[in-house]
Amino acid sequence: KQEVTQIPAALSVPEGENLVLNCSFTDSAIYNLQWFRQDPGKGLTSLLLIQSSQREQTSGRLNASLDKSSGRSTLYIAASQPGDSATYLCAVNNNNDMRFGAGTRLTVKP
Amino acid sequence: EAGVVQSPRYKIIEKKQPVAFWCNPISGHNTLYWYRQNLGQGPELLIRYENEEAVDDSQLPKDRFSAERLKGVDSTLKIQPAELGDSAVYLCASSGRGEEYGYTFGSGTRLTVV
Repeated sequence: KQEVTQIPAALSVPEGENLVLNCSFTDSAIYNLQWFRQDPGKGLTSLLLIQSSQREQTSGRLNASLDKSSGRSTLYIAASQPGDSATYLCAVNNNNDMRFGAGTRLTVKP
Repeated sequence: EAGVVQSPRYKIIEKKQPVAFWCNPISGHNTLYWYRQNLGQGPELLIRYENEEAVDDSQLPKDRFSAERLKGVDSTLKIQPAELGDSAVYLCASSGRGEEYGYTFGSGTRLTVV
């Protein structure tokens, strides 16, 4: 059974800092990996999808990388803003069976 | 394109009462999922449908939970009777086939059992 771990559980940074969120998984035979953002009381918003054959994906200030052999993914956020404050969830898809980490709760202070 | 639509948005019920949640997936998405998310945790799969067939319901508490996806489109998830521990956010998601497809989630239903 796939297990997904996210470190750190919570992170607080001043505005403007670059930061990295980490995700690790136990089964490398994945279809794809997806990073989501979740605001309090809201659903999940997809940020980036990395297919198994890809190494990274970029969208604006976000960059996600994937290293299947080591079972790791990182989400890099450049020049953080207070509006980036949310919980970030990593989800790993094995044949339409998606497993989530517990998330990293990010706070960006003005 | 409309996203995944869920209703109701919030529900408060007394324990032992029944409750139902509804989900309309993205048009053309064959796979539909119901997840439950407890506070401070990641979502956990309850049931996965491929068209109208439930292909993974191993985590669904079948003594009180049931689900259906008639005609392979809309889906309902029911709890009867509800218990205090069922308080959570219930999320519906859908996806297409293939690794290029990610999951799209609805806004969720926040259930409070009192």
